Amino acid sequence: GQNIDQPTEMTATEGAIVQINCTYQTSGFNGLFWYQQHAGEAPTFLSYNVLDGLEEKGRFSSFLSRSKGYSYLLLKELQMKDSASYLCAALKGGYQKVTFGTGTKLQVIP
Amino acid sequence: EAQVTQNPRYLITVTGKKLTVTCSQNMNHEYMSWYRQDPGLGLRQIYYSMNVEVTDKGDVPEGYKVSRKEKRNFPLILESPSPNQTSLYFCASSLFPPAESRWTGPLHFGNGTRLTVT
Repeated sequence: GQNIDQPTEMTATEGAIVQINCTYQTSGFNGLFWYQQHAGEAPTFLSYNVLDGLEEKGRFSSFLSRSKGYSYLLLKELQMKDSASYLCAALKGGYQKVTFGTGTKLQVIP
Repeated sequence: EAQVTQNPRYLITVTGKKLTVTCSQNMNHEYMSWYRQDPGLGLRQIYYSMNVEVTDKGDVPEGYKVSRKEKRNFPLILESPSPNQTSLYFCASSLFPPAESRWTGPLHFGNGTRLTVT
């Protein structure tokens, strides 16, 4: 399988910056997704990284290092509405599926 | 509006009573997939379909069936539901299958179906 590891829970303060890490098996790796999921709702797409480096989209940025099997999602200027689970997911070459990690539940506190 | 529609949103049933969860997408996507989500286990793939009449097992297919007779629809069938199938189910689709070079992502998810089997 495509083992994906990310922290179970994190807490951060409103207005601050938080980094959510994700590690994965590099064998056959083709790309990495980040999704946001509010409790009981559908996951919504945040980013997709194929090449090494940082991609920025407003307050959210995603970084990938293919050689290290490592990615992170960076959330800036945290807002209360950012409280959600963040799912790291990997695409493996030749496999017709996207494999998800168990998610990191982020709580933003005032 | 481009979307993936699942029905029903909530379903409570009893062990052994056959049920179908419907999934429909209006984006002409080739690839469709079913996931179940359980606490501590994340999203796990049940079945997927790369196009009409082409389906295959995911990681946890036992107790489930699917069909893809039309491009837009991908129903999930539980012939004889059991309590261990109590879960939150998501249907997802993408324009092309993930393993193809045409893949541009991402997966689009339906709003989920919360199933309880007693």
